[in-house]
Formats: sequence, structure tokens, C-alpha cells
Amino acid sequence: EVQLVESGGGLVQPGRSLRLSCAASGFTFDDYAMHWVRQAPGKGLEWVSGISWNSGNIGYADSVKGRFTISRDNAKNSLYLQMSSLRAEDTALYYCAKDSVVGATKGGYYFDYWGQGTLVTVSS
Amino acid sequence: DIQMTQSPSTLSASVGDRVTITCRASQSISIWLAWYQQKPAKAPKLLIYKASSLESGVPSRFSGSGSGTEFTLTISSLQPDDFATYYCQQYNSYSTFGQGTKVEIK
Repeated sequence: EVQLVESGGGLVQPGRSLRLSCAASGFTFDDYAMHWVRQAPGKGLEWVSGISWNSGNIGYADSVKGRFTISRDNAKNSLYLQMSSLRAEDTALYYCAKDSVVGATKGGYYFDYWGQGTLVTVSS
Repeated sequence: DIQMTQSPSTLSASVGDRVTITCRASQSISIWLAWYQQKPAKAPKLLIYKASSLESGVPSRFSGSGSGTEFTLTISSLQPDDFATYYCQQYNSYSTFGQGTKVEIK
């Protein structure tokens, strides 16, 4: 059974940093691209960032470019999102999502599994 | 960046109704489009991929069509479990979601 478990969320002051993690199990992690998607309270889904299976292809939404860094550790079956210079508008539930295609080298495909999310609140 | 626009934002319907949601891309995305269903406090669930391919286990009352810049999700006969919010997603160039369409009880 595929499982994606996010952690690392919490309350953080504007301008500070936070690192999210996603622990993956139930599939061959290093075969698939992975993504972060967020959802602000009462709002829609926003793709944040994606990383290919070998970290060779990385993309970011314009809203986080230059502030967030995605990475993965295939030996630990883990995905990360380093968030810096956080703003109030970064407040959201952050989901980890698994890409659907083995060995995808373009910027990702559709997402067939999602975690339950970790809540990030940016407030003074 | 590719922008995705869904319409309507909210749709009121009754059980048994045929429902159609539209998603338009700001540039051609071929057939690289997926549809998701999300219920309150739950993660999104994949319904359709590659514009018209039904994900395994998804009821056949759901169908998708379109290519290029215009796409539709159709629910042929709305069931009580289908009241939810639906999102389109382009994956031609990284990813972008539409703003969502809430299907509510009329």
C-alpha cells in the first residue's frame, strides 16, 4: 500500500524558515517524480514544486521561486521542501504527491497518490 | 506559465442530473490534463488522466473529453457521493491547477 506521510509543519513567523518532509513507502520511491502541492484555507490547489526521480529536473511555481527548495533522498525514501523567507500568503496545508509515470523526465505527469498534508501557518 | 480556468465556480444540481464542468488552458496542452475530486478535509482523488482516461476504480459515470485548450468533465448521472469540489490539472509543462468547481446540492 502506497503511503505518503508529511511532517514538519507548524506556526512560524514571517521571514523565518521551515523544512517539510514526506516519508514514502509502498512503492519504489526512486522510480518516480514527486511533488508538493498546497492549499490555503478555504482555497484551491496550487502546485508548488516538483522533482524528477533522479533530481535532474526541478520546477517551482513563480510564487515560491527563489524562496523554496525541493530535494529528495532516495536512500531514505524521503522528499523535502525547504521554505525560507516565509510570508503570510504561504499559510496552507502542504501535500506531498506521487507522480504517476515511472522514470518521468519532463516536468511531471498527473498525481496518483497524495498524503494527508501538513499545515504551515505563517503569522507573527 | 500555463493558466487554467474552470467554469462554473459553483454548480447547483440534483441527484440524477447530468453535470458538465469546463476547463480552459491559456495555451495548448495537447491531452495532458487530469481531473480530481476533493471532499472537505480530504486529499484530492484522481478521476481522469490524459484528458479522457478513467482511473481504475472510478465509476463509469465520470468521463472526460477535449484536447488543445478546451476540456470537459461530465458526470452522467449525479450521485449523492459526487457532491464535492473538482479540479483540473495541466501537466504539459510542470503543473497548474484550475481554481476548482464546487458541485453542491440544489
